[in-house]
Amino acid sequence: EADIYQTPRYLVIGTGKKITLECSQTMGHDKMYWYQQDPGMELHLIHYSYGVNSTEKGDLSSESTVSRIRTEHFPLTLESARPSHTSQYLCASSDAGWMTNTGELFFGEGSRLTVL
Amino acid sequence: KNQVEQSPQSLIILEGKNCTLQCNYTVSPFSNLRWYKQDTGRGPVSLTIMTFSENTKSNGRYTATLDADTKQSSLHITASQLSDSASYICVVSDRGSTLGRLYFGRGTQLTVWP
Repeated sequence: EADIYQTPRYLVIGTGKKITLECSQTMGHDKMYWYQQDPGMELHLIHYSYGVNSTEKGDLSSESTVSRIRTEHFPLTLESARPSHTSQYLCASSDAGWMTNTGELFFGEGSRLTVL
Repeated sequence: KNQVEQSPQSLIILEGKNCTLQCNYTVSPFSNLRWYKQDTGRGPVSLTIMTFSENTKSNGRYTATLDADTKQSSLHITASQLSDSASYICVVSDRGSTLGRLYFGRGTQLTVWP
């Protein structure tokens, strides 16, 4: 079982609020990722990090921001939430590059965000 | 355009029966193909990873096949159980960039009835 944790699991907030989704892993992985997933749709990469002080935007444009001050911690922040941000957010980490055959991608349980 | 297409979109079977899920991809250059199981409201969990040189891999009652020539993969589930009810996602990785990008399918929603 993967040691990667996300909080909160569920969040319902009003428009304009600032929110932070937490993601922590205890596996010592350098690479961490944030994905966004809507019902019946594929996962879309919104942010990734190769290590401490490294953050990059993914394929899907997102108004969220991330930080990587510690290896184990990769929080995602929305400064002003809107209904269009309603989605499932999945955090993941890997022990190697995606290109390597043995690299595994471990996902957290997800954070379901609903913005009213 | 690199894509991953899965079929069927949804499937209902009776407990104890077998089923096969399909994945077609156009990702190139190909690196590896993964199958994940995602329970409702949870994160995906890896079932198998196959490279170009592998054409079959098993994980318990799950058997994945890969035909790199036709760019097709299948996931066969044997003697289904109620706990197999989930979305099964096919993910293909390319090796054409330093990022090693992952391409996700939309998944097949499997429901197993008692």
